Amino acid sequence: QVQLQESGPGLVKPSGTLSLTCAVSGGSISSSNWWSWVRQPPGKGLEWIGEIYHSGSTNYSPSLDSRVTISVDKSKNQFSLNLRSVTAADTAVYYCASADLNHYYGMDVWGQGTTVNVSS
Amino acid sequence: DIQMTQSPSSLSASVGDRVTITCRASQTIGNFLNWYQQKPGKAPRLLIYAASALQSGVPSRFSGSGAGTDFTLTIDSLQPEDFVTYYCQQSYYTPRTFGQGTKVDIK
Repeated sequence: QVQLQESGPGLVKPSGTLSLTCAVSGGSISSSNWWSWVRQPPGKGLEWIGEIYHSGSTNYSPSLDSRVTISVDKSKNQFSLNLRSVTAADTAVYYCASADLNHYYGMDVWGQGTTVNVSS
Repeated sequence: DIQMTQSPSSLSASVGDRVTITCRASQTIGNFLNWYQQKPGKAPRLLIYAASALQSGVPSRFSGSGAGTDFTLTIDSLQPEDFVTYYCQQSYYTPRTFGQGTKVDIK
C-alpha cells in the first residue's frame, strides 16, 4: 500500500518561497498516478493546488499558476511543491495525495499533512 | 473553473439518523464526483468515488448517487464517529475543485 509523507520548513518569511517534499513509499512514483498537492487554511476548506504525472506533465490551479511549480524526482521516489512570493494567505496545512483513474481521479492516499506558517 | 456548491454548510442530527448532503456542479461532470470525510486535525479520507463507488474499507452506511451536475451523499444510521466534516470534489476537469464542506454535528 502506497504511503505518503510530507516534509519541509514549518515557517516561511513573507515574499519567500515555500518548498515541500512528499516522499512516496510502498510503490513507485512512476506508476499511473497523478501526484497532487492540496492545502487547507486554518478553519477553512480544502483547496486543490495542482498535480504532476511521472512524465512531468502538470496541472495547476489558475489562482496559483503564476507562483507554483510541482516537480518529480524519480531517483528519490518523491515529488515537490514550490510556491513563490508567499504571503500570510498561504498559511495552511499542506497535504500531498495520490489520484488515479481507477478511482476516477479521486485522491485515495493522503499524507498526514504539514503546517506551514508564513510570518516574519 | 467548475464551481462545486455543497448544501447545507452545516447540519445537526442525532445518532441513528439518516442524513443527506448535496453537491451541485456548475457544469456537467459525468460521474467524476468524489466524497471525502475529514476529522479534526486529520487528512481527508476518500469515501466515495465515481459518484457512487464505495472506497475499500468504508462502511456500507455511506452511499452516493447522482450524475451530471447533481449529487448526493447519504449516511444511514449516523454513528458517533460520523459527526465530522464532508467535502465533495469534481475530478473531471482541472482544477479539481472542492465544495466548501458540510459539518455534521450532534443535535
